Amino acid sequence: GAGVSQSPSNKVTEKGKDVELRCDPISGHTALYWYRQSLGQGLEFLIYFQGNSAPDKSGLPSDRFSAERTGGSVSTLTIQRTQQEDSAVYLCASSSNTGYNEQFFGPGTRLTVL
Amino acid sequence: ILNVEQSPQSLHVQEGDSTNFTCSFPSSNFYALHWYRWETAKSPEALFVMTLNGDEKKKGRISATLNTKEGYSYLYIKGSQPEDSATYLCASLFYNTDKLIFGTGTRLQVFP
Repeated sequence: GAGVSQSPSNKVTEKGKDVELRCDPISGHTALYWYRQSLGQGLEFLIYFQGNSAPDKSGLPSDRFSAERTGGSVSTLTIQRTQQEDSAVYLCASSSNTGYNEQFFGPGTRLTVL
Repeated sequence: ILNVEQSPQSLHVQEGDSTNFTCSFPSSNFYALHWYRWETAKSPEALFVMTLNGDEKKKGRISATLNTKEGYSYLYIKGSQPEDSATYLCASLFYNTDKLIFGTGTRLQVFP
């Protein structure tokens, strides 16, 4: 079956521009997570959705970051006025929230801010 | 604050060596422990889910144990191969949370 997909796979942008990253979770998965990995760092939690609501936004690094999820499916992470420190791989994962919340990860979007 | 810790941060071994690393987590309200393997330029892939004290899981040359009373899990790799090179992440689920809490990972490099 189809796994988690993310687009674009790579994005190069100029400092100050806005970017949108998209995640398509596994069909039927109610939970959706955004993480990022900056160069040389571990997995950094950003935000978590349960259905269309976001009970935990604690990881969003600044108010330039926002995310939404519509129809309990696709999610978009938006970064406004990008900065060079936003350069990272942005990973999305989804989970069925049954059993032990195993998360299935997408291939990631590599964002480079020049 | 729920904190999951992994050690060592990185590890370099020769091909054929066996190795192990640790994941530590708060034992109170523990529900489940996940291990993931994360190869460079790929997405993390699930290795094991463990829930019971004393649980052991095995997949090929990789195995894991769980001690829920003292709050740790060990991941073992027997006869390491270069293709085992990856970051190994553990993540815990607790009764009072609804998301996995990830550790920072152990980066393993196996040299031929």
